[in-house]
Amino acid sequence: GAGVSQSPSNKVTEKGKDVELRCDPISGHTALYWYRQSLGQGLEFLIYFQGNSAPDKSGLPSDRFSAERTGGSVSTLTIQRTQQEDSAVYLCASSLGLDTDTQYFGPGTRLTVL
Amino acid sequence: AQSVAQPEDQVNVAEGNPLTVKCTYSVSGNPYLFWYVQYPNRGLQFLLKYITGDNLVKGSYGFEAEFNKSQTSFHLKKPSALVSDSALYFCAVTKGDSWGKLQFGAGTQVVVTP
Repeated sequence: GAGVSQSPSNKVTEKGKDVELRCDPISGHTALYWYRQSLGQGLEFLIYFQGNSAPDKSGLPSDRFSAERTGGSVSTLTIQRTQQEDSAVYLCASSLGLDTDTQYFGPGTRLTVL
Repeated sequence: AQSVAQPEDQVNVAEGNPLTVKCTYSVSGNPYLFWYVQYPNRGLQFLLKYITGDNLVKGSYGFEAEFNKSQTSFHLKKPSALVSDSALYFCAVTKGDSWGKLQFGAGTQVVVTP
């Protein structure tokens, strides 16, 4: 079946602009996760959703970052007033449930802030 | 707090030789351990996981890993490496009350030469 999809695959933006990154999880997966991969910080957890609820937002780097999930499916990660340090690959993953269920990752969105 | 260490930035091995990628972890309570592989410009691909039960876990593409509680290790192994195994390998840990938040190691680049 279809895996996790993310769009766009690449995004180049100017400093100060807002960007939206989209994630389509595997059908039937109730949990959805966002991670960021950068050279300096490695792979870091950002936020997870169980259904449409995000109980733990502690990984979001600043209040410029927000995420939402609608209909228990598609999720959007929004970065406002982008900064050069936001440049990274943003990875989305989904799993059937939480805890021990395997997370399956999408191909990522490469964000470049000029 | 939980953490993962991958002590080797890079592992070089000749095709046909055994491959080992090391991982040690630190977590209070029972860990859930995962291995993922990343090919260039791709997302993370799941290889295997340890939740409970047998310490030796078998996964995709001939990989296996052994959970060693006393040494807090979860090394990834393959008896005979292929050139196509050349990629970036990540170890990750979570635990029951972390709700699936994976903590990743820094990654180990595996280079298999013909």
